[in-house]
Amino acid sequence: EVQLVESGGGLVQPGGSLRLSCAASGFTFSDHYMDWVRQAPGKGLEWVGRTRNRANSYTTEYAASVKGRFTISRDDSKNSLYLQMNSLKTEDTAVYYCARESLGSGWYFDYWGQGTLVTVSS
Amino acid sequence: QTVVTQEPSLTVSPGGTVTLTCASSTGAVTSGYYPNWFQQKPGQAPRALIYSTSNKHSWTPARFSGSLLGGKAALTLSGVQPEDEAEYYCLLYYGGAQLVFGGGTKLTVL
Repeated sequence: EVQLVESGGGLVQPGGSLRLSCAASGFTFSDHYMDWVRQAPGKGLEWVGRTRNRANSYTTEYAASVKGRFTISRDDSKNSLYLQMNSLKTEDTAVYYCARESLGSGWYFDYWGQGTLVTVSS
Repeated sequence: QTVVTQEPSLTVSPGGTVTLTCASSTGAVTSGYYPNWFQQKPGQAPRALIYSTSNKHSWTPARFSGSLLGGKAALTLSGVQPEDEAEYYCLLYYGGAQLVFGGGTKLTVL
């Protein structure tokens, strides 16, 4: 069974930093691109960024709203995905989901974690 | 900035049929944008329903189908059930760092 479990959320002051983790199980983690998606309270989904797999040199891409402040990394030996968030702003308050990206017979996000809440407030 | 637009809300009767659409500010949506559809119920994570326009995941109920309709991606629910009441999001892939979700459609079954 595929499982994605996020952790690391919490309350942080504006300008602060936080690191989120996503523990993956039930599939070959190293084969997949992995993404972070966030959802502000009462709002829609917003793609944050992705990390490609080893075969694609672990390259990363980010939404313009977080580029230069957030960094996505992964540790395939631990089946884990990370999101380092620096210079946090109140508008970064959201539930952060990790999601598996697949390139099988098409392109898709199939599995999502349950999310972890990040609150940026003084 | 690319914007993906969905109907903010729709209402359907149980057993009825409803179509949700997903439009791109860049022009017609084609299969090359690999439209994905997700369902999200309150307090839950999104659940994938449709990918690459019309493909269903193994868990997607048969009453859900995806297509291209009039330059938009479309999600059709046939024989709507009360448990289909939820928020629905589309996702389009423009390439590179451009993955854009629509604003969501709140579907009410009444």
